[in-house]
Amino acid sequence: TQLLEQSPQFLSIQEGENLTVYCNSSSVFSSLQWYRQEPGEGPVLLVTVVTGGEVKKLKRLTFQFGDARKDSSLHITAAQPGDTGLYLCAGAGNYGQNFVFGPGTRLSVLP
Amino acid sequence: DAGITQSPRHKVTETGTPVTLRCHQTENHRYMYWYRQDPGHGLRLIHYSYGVKDTDKGEVSDGYSVSRSKTEDFLLTLESATSSQTSVYFCAISGRGAGRLTDTQYFGPGTRLTVL
Repeated sequence: TQLLEQSPQFLSIQEGENLTVYCNSSSVFSSLQWYRQEPGEGPVLLVTVVTGGEVKKLKRLTFQFGDARKDSSLHITAAQPGDTGLYLCAGAGNYGQNFVFGPGTRLSVLP
Repeated sequence: DAGITQSPRHKVTETGTPVTLRCHQTENHRYMYWYRQDPGHGLRLIHYSYGVKDTDKGEVSDGYSVSRSKTEDFLLTLESATSSQTSVYFCAISGRGAGRLTDTQYFGPGTRLTVL
């Protein structure tokens, strides 16, 4: 069974600070996705990374896929209160398996 | 946004009663999924469908059944609800047309189910 771990579980920071959250596994994934979920809503896809070592930027968010495709990180620069939410990573297996989701990092950005 | 609706959005029921949740999509997505979300567990796959009348079990399928008689509708049934099935249930879709199983998933707004 493929498992994904995320750290930290909770993070509370002040507006303007930088932060990094991590998604780790002992398994190799063919692709990895990051979602943000706000209270009372379903997750919304932020990015998909598919190549080992790949870096993608989405405004103040930088996503990196590990060289071995077992881990990923999300870095937020100058966090804003609008970044508050639950950040989920999800990995897709090499053989067409369904996505496996991590437990999430709950981020709170205080004004 | 992919058009996905879930009904009901909230439900309170008693142990032992049957419950059916509905997911409806207005896009031509091949795959449909039911997940449950619980604190500390993230999203766990219950069942999924890869076409009309084609379904398969996910990680936590015990106590749940599904049906897909039309491309646009995917039903999740709890035959006899238990308190451990109190959760938030999300439907997701992926694979417009003949897409792959691991294409981008789009999620519905969720159904909050409480079993007393």
